[in-house]
Amino acid sequence: IAGITQAPTSQILAAGRRMTLRCTQDMRHNAMYWYRQDLGLGLRLIHYSNTAGTTGKGEVPDGYSVSRANTDDFPLTLASAVPSQTSVYFCASSDRGASGANVLTFGAGSRLTVL
Amino acid sequence: GQNIDQPTEMTATEGAIVQINCTYQTSGFNGLFWYQQHAGEAPTFLSYNVLDGLEEKGRFSSFLSRSKGYSYLLLKELQMKDSASYLCAVGDSNYQLIWGAGTKLIIKP
Repeated sequence: IAGITQAPTSQILAAGRRMTLRCTQDMRHNAMYWYRQDLGLGLRLIHYSNTAGTTGKGEVPDGYSVSRANTDDFPLTLASAVPSQTSVYFCASSDRGASGANVLTFGAGSRLTVL
Repeated sequence: GQNIDQPTEMTATEGAIVQINCTYQTSGFNGLFWYQQHAGEAPTFLSYNVLDGLEEKGRFSSFLSRSKGYSYLLLKELQMKDSASYLCAVGDSNYQLIWGAGTKLIIKP
């Protein structure tokens, strides 16, 4: 089934530890995104990649890094986790066509708790 | 600054009609999107408006007025499965989506 796979589904992490959230898509979409979703707030963009080999910073990039070595994979790394990074993380992808409509397809999410 | 406003929560009755409003102020405009998100699940795409007017898709319709910075999502013949959060998002000048906090819709029998 075509779509986006995120791993892990859920993780409890001690503060100061390094963590990588994995994201893989099989739709050959050119653009990929990482968002965090917190109660009472809209989805906030952490980092994005418009095409393989390029990345950009979103609204809340501090404490996070990404890489885009190929079209399918877009891992998100927390170098040294802090409690404020407790959140639900969604990976998304889109195929930005000539019309400009940027319709996103989301993964199922990764719930991260930092203690 | 950029801002998307929508009500936090709404309640409606099964079989009825509900309208969820969204107002926005963004740098640039490249379409307005509505997504549905059931509790504990990922958002899924519902509708896209880039021109003024009404777009109808089955029981769901979405309206846009660019001059007023306003959109609404209209849900007809409400079903219990429509209980979810509805997210309004606007594409900015870089085609990145700016998201509202979402409207939690509660459907009562």
